[in-house]
Amino acid sequence: AQSVTQPDIHITVSEGASLELRCNYSYGATPYLFWYVQSPGQGLQLLLKYFSGDTLVQGIKGFEAEFKRSQSSFNLRKPSVHWSDAAEYFCAVGAGTASKLTFGTGTRLQVTL
Amino acid sequence: DGGITQSPKYLFRKEGQNVTLSCEQNLNHDAMYWYRQDPGQGLRLIYYSQIVNDFQKGDIAEGYSVSREKKESFPLTVTSAQKNPTAFYLCASPPYFGEGSWLTVV
Repeated sequence: AQSVTQPDIHITVSEGASLELRCNYSYGATPYLFWYVQSPGQGLQLLLKYFSGDTLVQGIKGFEAEFKRSQSSFNLRKPSVHWSDAAEYFCAVGAGTASKLTFGTGTRLQVTL
Repeated sequence: DGGITQSPKYLFRKEGQNVTLSCEQNLNHDAMYWYRQDPGQGLRLIYYSQIVNDFQKGDIAEGYSVSREKKESFPLTVTSAQKNPTAFYLCASPPYFGEGSWLTVV
């Protein structure tokens, strides 16, 4: 069975600081990996996705993620966080682009000014 | 993201009442999904459909029903059998999501 673990429930960073959100997955085949962001009361917005190829993936809003097969990880990074990045972030894994996704429990990011 | 429209945004259900949440997509995608999100929780899969006129139960299908008569539409009915329906409901046509619908029992 596939699963996703986001070890950090809540992270606080200062504006302008770098950010790394952790995601570990368990999947039997080549995974399709996704990062989403959710503002309170809103739907999920796709930040980036990884299917194959270059293991460093660029997304929207200045985010990037690196796929490390040996560590079963797909961590999300941003060099300099803005106050508007405060939100909930979800990592997800699936078998394909249209397959059902398994989500982690999310990491809530707080940004201090 | 994409072209997924959910309605209504807010819905109130009385005890014993069935309610239907609408989900429409203009992405020409075959697959559509319904997820439930409880406060502070991740997403749990209710039902999904990979093609018109076919759908499968997800992890928490009890108390819910769906139909997929048209490619662009995948409505979710929350029946009176669902004992704890208060939640945020999200429709997806991967990898995109709608803006969600809040359902509250009154």
